[in-house]
Amino acid sequence: AQSVTQLDSQVPVFEEAPVELRCNYSSSVSVYLFWYVQYPNQGLQLLLKYLSGSTLVKGINGFEAEFNKSQTSFHLRKPSVHISDTAEYFCAVDFYGGSQGNLIFGKGTKLSVKP
Amino acid sequence: KAGVTQTPRYLIKTRGQQVTLSCSPISGHRSVSWYQQTPGQGLQFLFEYFSETQRNKGNFPGRFSGRQFSNSRSEMNVSTLELGDSALYLCASSLRSGRATGELFFGEGSRLTVL
Repeated sequence: AQSVTQLDSQVPVFEEAPVELRCNYSSSVSVYLFWYVQYPNQGLQLLLKYLSGSTLVKGINGFEAEFNKSQTSFHLRKPSVHISDTAEYFCAVDFYGGSQGNLIFGKGTKLSVKP
Repeated sequence: KAGVTQTPRYLIKTRGQQVTLSCSPISGHRSVSWYQQTPGQGLQFLFEYFSETQRNKGNFPGRFSGRQFSNSRSEMNVSTLELGDSALYLCASSLRSGRATGELFFGEGSRLTVL
């Protein structure tokens, strides 16, 4: 079955430090890739997406992600985090022809930014 | 432009009861998807409706059902509630169904507690 793995459930980091949140998916078929962010008591908001073209995509709030087809990964990065980036981040994959619905989500990574 | 609206935001039910949750998508969006979010399982796809037709369904028992009205508003129903149904139920809308941009716009969710 198709799956999305976020390797770290929690990532603590100090303010202004760089951060990388990792995401791997199970299949090498054609995919669309997404990162969503969820702030406390809110729904999910799209950070960025990869549909085609350049493998490095830039999103909102200074985040970027790189698609690596050979490693089936789509890691999220930010060079300098802020306290306001504290939230839960979800990687999501649209597997072409998948039967489980439009998007399959990873279990999330809680980013905690400390002063 | 109004976002995705879910009602009620919070509700408490007892085992054996049933519950109906409502979702109003962004104006012009014809696709509505429902997800269940729990700490242990993360985000799990329930079903998707497009133009009043169920397009996809996740691996949930028949106690979980949904429908979509001609104005694209959607409802989901859970009958014979179990303790394990306690979760945040998220609704997401998008312009199109299927493998389009895949971008989902989420509501803030309905938090269901089953006692």
